[in-house]
Amino acid sequence: DVKVTQSSRYLVKRTGEKVFLECVQDMDHENMFWYRQDPGLGLRLIYFSYDVKMKEKGDIPEGYSVSREKKERFSLILESASTNQTSMYLCASSFTGGDGYTFGSGTRLTVV
Amino acid sequence: RKEVEQDPGPFNVPEGATVAFNCTYSNSASQSFFWYRQDCRKEPKLLMSVYSSGNEDGRFTAQLNRASQYISLLIRDSKLSDSATYLCVVNRISGSARQLTFGSGTQLTVLP
Repeated sequence: DVKVTQSSRYLVKRTGEKVFLECVQDMDHENMFWYRQDPGLGLRLIYFSYDVKMKEKGDIPEGYSVSREKKERFSLILESASTNQTSMYLCASSFTGGDGYTFGSGTRLTVV
Repeated sequence: RKEVEQDPGPFNVPEGATVAFNCTYSNSASQSFFWYRQDCRKEPKLLMSVYSSGNEDGRFTAQLNRASQYISLLIRDSKLSDSATYLCVVNRISGSARQLTFGSGTQLTVLP
């Protein structure tokens, strides 16, 4: 019973391409998050959303944008992919006031 | 200074050993604390919450020292299946949704 689903497990894109990473959760969570994870740097928050059409910048939003048109879906957009955006991208969701996050299985993006 | 700091390890211990991980956090206003476990190439999963009074879940014991801003995780009678990266996680009240800040993780390998 998968609860947070990321559309792709592995993705290879070319420099300059526009890239969409999709995340869907079926737990009716208000909050959704996008992180990237790099060796030695841990998980870093890119953007998050606490409601439909609402978004806030995390710690490293540069080069990214997000969209949340429906409660269950949170998309991460790389407007013009660059090689330094090669990373593991993790989506998570949570209830407001709840403990902990549920993560998707991640998308390993390689930009060549 | 990082918000959450952990010894990256690696910790290599024999089966049956007791191993302890430590973590410090910088934000004295943090209220919620967790340990997550991440297996190789998998997403992080909640291992346990950490309460002020300390808490235990089978072979795992978590402690919190608010005065020192220090969290620990003790694993007794280590199993091969405990091999993973352990992430110390602290909440951050910022913006419109409670966020979690992740340490870079401590890698544990339990040897036969």
